[in-house]
Amino acid sequence: DIVMTQSPDSLAVSQGERATINCKSSQSVLYSSNNKNSLAWYQQKPGQPPKLLINWASTRESGVPDRFSGSGSGTDFTLTISSLQAEDVAVYYCQQYYSTPQTFGQGTKVEIK
Amino acid sequence: QLQLQESGPGLVKPSETLSLTCTVSGVSISSSFYYWGWVRQPPGKGLEWIGTIYDSGSTYYNWSLKSRVTISVDTSKNQFSLKLSSVTAADTAVYYCARLQPAATPTMPFDYWGQGTLVTVSS
Repeated sequence: DIVMTQSPDSLAVSQGERATINCKSSQSVLYSSNNKNSLAWYQQKPGQPPKLLINWASTRESGVPDRFSGSGSGTDFTLTISSLQAEDVAVYYCQQYYSTPQTFGQGTKVEIK
Repeated sequence: QLQLQESGPGLVKPSETLSLTCTVSGVSISSSFYYWGWVRQPPGKGLEWIGTIYDSGSTYYNWSLKSRVTISVDTSKNQFSLKLSSVTAADTAVYYCARLQPAATPTMPFDYWGQGTLVTVSS
């Protein structure tokens, strides 16, 4: 299985400041046929299902604010929230869909400082 | 608008079989390139992929659960189902059904999710 490791486990950022979450995979998730990384980011608020924010490591889903951005390639990825808003308080998960079993990181809890 | 809704017992006894159904509305479950899956989340913990199915019946399971898992589809009811046998307390979790982003491959992220249903394994 591909192991996904996120860091940090939690972070507190002042409203309007940048929040950065890292995700590392135990092997490359670069899909050679399209030269894209099979890496997604989800946001989960309490009592809600996860919401897909970004796929292919950097493609925002429709309706996702542009303060959310994804970057990285191979085994190292980053989710950046450029200006943290109160509604962004949530747990964020990365997921690889390069191979089965699809696996998720352990989650990063983002709070307002 | 695509919606998914899980249903089934909220309490299952140890060693018995957990059975859940996901009812899909707003789209045909048989639509081309639509794969459907189950994900679970133990209370306060992370997400675990259980398995995925295509309307043809092709299934893909997490090997860690494979011997106990069966996912099936009922196109006439626009539903797909999960059965997990020989459950223990470790299977207590919120179970989500979800759709994978349309593609000709079962390895895509989940773009639509049900609200989830808590299943507790306890005598």
